[in-house]
Amino acid sequence: DTGVSQNPRHKITKRGQNVTFRCDPISEHNRLYWYRQTLGQGPEFLTYFQNEAQLEKSRLLSDRFSAERPKGSFSTLEIQRTEQGDSAMYLCASSLAATGGYGYTFGSGTRLTVV
Amino acid sequence: AQTVTQSQPEMSVQEAETVTLSCTYDTSENNYYLFWYKQPPSRQMILVIRQEAYKQQNATENRFSVNFQKAAKSFSLKISDSQLGDTAMYFCAFMNPSGTYKYIFGTGTRLKVLA
Repeated sequence: DTGVSQNPRHKITKRGQNVTFRCDPISEHNRLYWYRQTLGQGPEFLTYFQNEAQLEKSRLLSDRFSAERPKGSFSTLEIQRTEQGDSAMYLCASSLAATGGYGYTFGSGTRLTVV
Repeated sequence: AQTVTQSQPEMSVQEAETVTLSCTYDTSENNYYLFWYKQPPSRQMILVIRQEAYKQQNATENRFSVNFQKAAKSFSLKISDSQLGDTAMYFCAFMNPSGTYKYIFGTGTRLKVLA
């Protein structure tokens, strides 16, 4: 297992377009988290899944954002009608539910630039 | 709501010297976890060290140690014998062990180790 994989690494899109990011967690991890990191800030929690169930969503996750984790494996994060304010690094992380308090494994992130 | 404050946006240290990064937090909880993460340029976040609030003993991981002052709500990171590879953004993070295991991150400190 090579850790948490995120694709693409970089995405440039025009305002108003839809984008989708993919995260492949460590295979045995049942928890998957999405965070957003804007320039000069620390990561902020967006949402998390346990297996295929989305258990919590932040208020940061507007109705233009949707995340899925079909079959409890990989996850996708889609942003519809992108805005310049969506430009950020989107981080995915995974853990076991039983050991989440010991920290997660993060992916390298997807950097989104909306022009 | 919990908050995490890192008041040093940037720091530098000479190779082989010791540097301390500051972090303060605010919470009304008695039991929680605190973390330091390292984010090298264009690379994934890596867990450096973890502290459980109910443990009085300060955590240590090789050259990295913390000074945890629960009453003062302070959690500083000391890096001894600094190496060029320690150059990175360092984030302090708070976690409430309530089941979600989501982080609240500070804004980060950019550390540069000088040769």
